[in-house]
Amino acid sequence: AQSVTQLDSHVSVSEGTPVLLRCNYSSSYSPSLFWYVQHPNKGLQLLLKYTSAATLVKGINGFEAEFKKSETSFHLTKPSAHMSDAAEYFCVVSPPGGTSYGKLTFGQGTILTVHP
Amino acid sequence: AAGVIQSPRHLIKEKRETATLKCYPIPRHDTVYWYQQGPGQDPQFLISFYEKMQSDKGSIPDRFSAQQFSDYHSELNMSSLELGDSALYFCASQLAEQETQYFGPGTRLLVL
Repeated sequence: AQSVTQLDSHVSVSEGTPVLLRCNYSSSYSPSLFWYVQHPNKGLQLLLKYTSAATLVKGINGFEAEFKKSETSFHLTKPSAHMSDAAEYFCVVSPPGGTSYGKLTFGQGTILTVHP
Repeated sequence: AAGVIQSPRHLIKEKRETATLKCYPIPRHDTVYWYQQGPGQDPQFLISFYEKMQSDKGSIPDRFSAQQFSDYHSELNMSSLELGDSALYFCASQLAEQETQYFGPGTRLLVL
């Protein structure tokens, strides 16, 4: 079984300040982990993914995440927030490997608000 | 680059009616997943197909059925619609040997 917990339902930052969105996972195997972003009334866009290679993963738009097995965490960070980063972010876990059974389990989502 | 296409983008139905949602995966992708996202909720996995065969099933009601066709597009058929079926329905496609699902823009279904 697998599960994901996003520790904050809302995060508010000022433009130009760092962003930290926290995610903890639970899995009985080594999972694949993803961060997706959803802008209002839009689909889900992949930010980055971890699939058992480097533990520090760089994604699009300056985001990165670090996989820490000892802490079962996969927190998303960005050094400097931009107004366009305001959206909802989902931490997602999937069984490992490129199989046809890649059922994704989503966290509850974190809404990021960026103030001018 | 080509993305996942879903149609229609918006759909309004009455209770007890039927609805068909369509998903066209990225070319060469052989796996399709359907998810349901209720208002204020995270997406929930419904069902998936690999090479035209059902590969996994989640919390999909018996009133719903789905299939993947020879051209790899998929259709989600929903019957006896209920108010609670109002949601955003996402389709995602994947090339089986890769590990990333690419999502379509979603179909927003409103049941009145």
